[in-house]
Amino acid sequence: NAGVTQTPKFQVLKTGQSMTLQCAQDMNHNSMYWYRQDPGMGLRLIYYSASEGTTDKGEVPNGYNVSRLNKREFSLRLESAAPSQTSVYFCASSRRTQYFGPGTRLLVL
Amino acid sequence: AQSVTQLGSHVSVSEGALVLLRCNYSSSVPPYLFWYVQYPNQGLQLLLKYTTGATLVKGINGFEAEFKKSETSFHLTKPSAHMSDAAEYFCAVSVESNFGNEKLTFGTGTRLTIIP
Repeated sequence: NAGVTQTPKFQVLKTGQSMTLQCAQDMNHNSMYWYRQDPGMGLRLIYYSASEGTTDKGEVPNGYNVSRLNKREFSLRLESAAPSQTSVYFCASSRRTQYFGPGTRLLVL
Repeated sequence: AQSVTQLGSHVSVSEGALVLLRCNYSSSVPPYLFWYVQYPNQGLQLLLKYTTGATLVKGINGFEAEFKKSETSFHLTKPSAHMSDAAEYFCAVSVESNFGNEKLTFGTGTRLTIIP
C-alpha cells in the first residue's frame, strides 16, 4: 500500500498562474482533506470531502477550489496564485484516524 | 468548537533525559486526541491516539500520553530521549461525527531538539 500520495513534490509559480495539486489514497477511505502548513501556525484545513461527491470549506478556503474526482482522488486547484499561498500543502485521508501524504512545497513569486 | 494549545514552541532536552511535551485542549463534547510527529521535509506520522477506554495510551518509538479529563490535558512523554526523536510534534483534537469525517484541529506544534 502506498497510503496517501501527492504530486508534485515541489512547484514554483508566478503570481497569477494556476495549478492543480493532486492527491490519491489507496486505503478505501471515505474522507479526504487538504491542509496548508505555515511556520508557527500548525496545519489549517482548506477543504475536506466527507465522501465521494461532497466537498466542504474548512478554515481557510479563499483562493482555492477542490474536486473529489472519485473515492481515491481529491485535487486542490489554485486558479490565480498569490504570494500568500506560498506554503506546504498536505493531503490526508481518514476513517476515524487521518493519514497524511508527504506534502507539496509551493513557492509563489 | 474545539481548540488545542501546545505550551512551548521549542523544547530542548539532553539525550537520555525525559521528554515532556504539553498539550491542553478545549472541547464541549468528549474528544478524540492525537499526537503526530513530523520529521524534516516529511508529512505527519501518527504517534498515538486516544478515543475511549484506557487513559494512558502507548504509541510508537517509546512515546506515551495520558488523557486527563479534569485537567483537559494530553501531554506526551518519553522516559529517555534519543537523537532520532528530534522533530516537530503536533497535538490535535477531533470529536466523533455521524458523518465519519472527523475534522482535526491542530496545535501550533512543538519543535523538539535533542542535545548530545
